[in-house]
Amino acid sequence: AQTVTQSQPEMSVQEAETVTLSCTYDTSESDYYLFWYKQPPSRQMILVIRQEAYKQQNATENRFSVNFQKAAKSFSLKISDSQLGDAAMYFCAYRSAAGTYKYIFGTGTRLKVLA
Amino acid sequence: DTAVSQTPKYLVTQMGNDKSIKCEQNLGHDTMYWYKQDSKKFLKIMFSYNNKELIINETVPNRFSPKSPDKAHLNLHINSLELGDSAVYFCASSYLAGEEQYFGPGTRLTVT
Repeated sequence: AQTVTQSQPEMSVQEAETVTLSCTYDTSESDYYLFWYKQPPSRQMILVIRQEAYKQQNATENRFSVNFQKAAKSFSLKISDSQLGDAAMYFCAYRSAAGTYKYIFGTGTRLKVLA
Repeated sequence: DTAVSQTPKYLVTQMGNDKSIKCEQNLGHDTMYWYKQDSKKFLKIMFSYNNKELIINETVPNRFSPKSPDKAHLNLHINSLELGDSAVYFCASSYLAGEEQYFGPGTRLTVT
């Protein structure tokens, strides 16, 4: 079965600095999707960025980028120029590209942004 | 024009009661999901329906019964509520073979 591990329960970053959140996963599948979701205090789950496993190029969305290492089964999120509004829980998620297309979420990393 | 909506957003009830949470999506997606997020923020899938057919049914007490009258709606009925059912319940939708899910705002259920 697939698993997703986020080993950092909490991280802090100074405003305007860069922070990297870690995520590793375990799967025997070759085709899948990976996501980072953000959950601010409002509790709304918001998609931050996604990566298709077949793409070697790392996804980027404005200040958010990923470092996708397929062989190492690693999918880290880098947030550049951190802003106060980035403070939230961040969840890494895995989705199969076949079968029931089930999503599996990591346990989350709470990001604090210090002014 | 809310994409995925849930009602109610807050629900406080006593042990032993029966309650329902409703979910609707206007994105045209064919697959809908229910997740439970516990007090430690762990998000776990409970059920998934594709075109009204149950495709994912995790190990959930049979007091929980999902119902999908059509592909735009997925409701969750909970019988004989227990203290441990207190959590935030999220509805989500996607295309079955699509990529990301879209989440509703969540329903915070408190059982006293």
